[in-house]
Amino acid sequence: QQPVQSPQAVILREGEDAVINCSSSKALYSVHWYRQKHGEAPVFLMILLKGGEQKGHEKISASFNEKKQQSSLYLTASQLSYSGTYFCGTANRGSNYKLTFGKGTLLTVNP
Amino acid sequence: DTGVSQNPRHKITKRGQNVTFRCDPISEHNRLYWYRQTLGQGPEFLTYFQNEAQLEKSRLLSDRFSAERPKGSFSTLEIQRTEQGDSAMYLCASSPRVNYGYTFGSGTRLTVV
Repeated sequence: QQPVQSPQAVILREGEDAVINCSSSKALYSVHWYRQKHGEAPVFLMILLKGGEQKGHEKISASFNEKKQQSSLYLTASQLSYSGTYFCGTANRGSNYKLTFGKGTLLTVNP
Repeated sequence: DTGVSQNPRHKITKRGQNVTFRCDPISEHNRLYWYRQTLGQGPEFLTYFQNEAQLEKSRLLSDRFSAERPKGSFSTLEIQRTEQGDSAMYLCASSPRVNYGYTFGSGTRLTVV
């Protein structure tokens, strides 16, 4: 079943922060995050495997709450280059080899 | 590492014709995936290969769709008797193992007229 992402779209000014959420109705094995710019392929950002684990770089990080079947992506001090559509991809127990993607969150960062 | 390569980049075909797309994954990656993406949607799973074995095919996929990965290297996706609803971006991705990020190709954009 497809994970639900929120919000559908967000507009920021450079330097502002954003949070993108991803939730599933099924027990999750892992969560991936990807960014896709217009006309390009999705690019892998990070994978989360354990409950409560937080990963990422200094300005882009994510958390995974296994019990709540939710993940959140945190973008701090946003840059123009962060603009794009962010997708979470979830792998369920029993089929941990394949990802089901959400509909995406369109992030626009303006100067 | 030259990334995942897909050909052709664009394909326009008449309804009812057959089309075939090719994907060359990263050479060390034994896992290969095909996804379909339409405007405003996330990638939708089509099929999965581990080496040359096709381990899963989406139940949403009709019998007009078939995929192969001979010798566990490149893969082809064929659509027979194309319909307008098949118009989409077809993405190929590969990964070296489970619990590893996917590397996507640039996709093949199919337009059925």
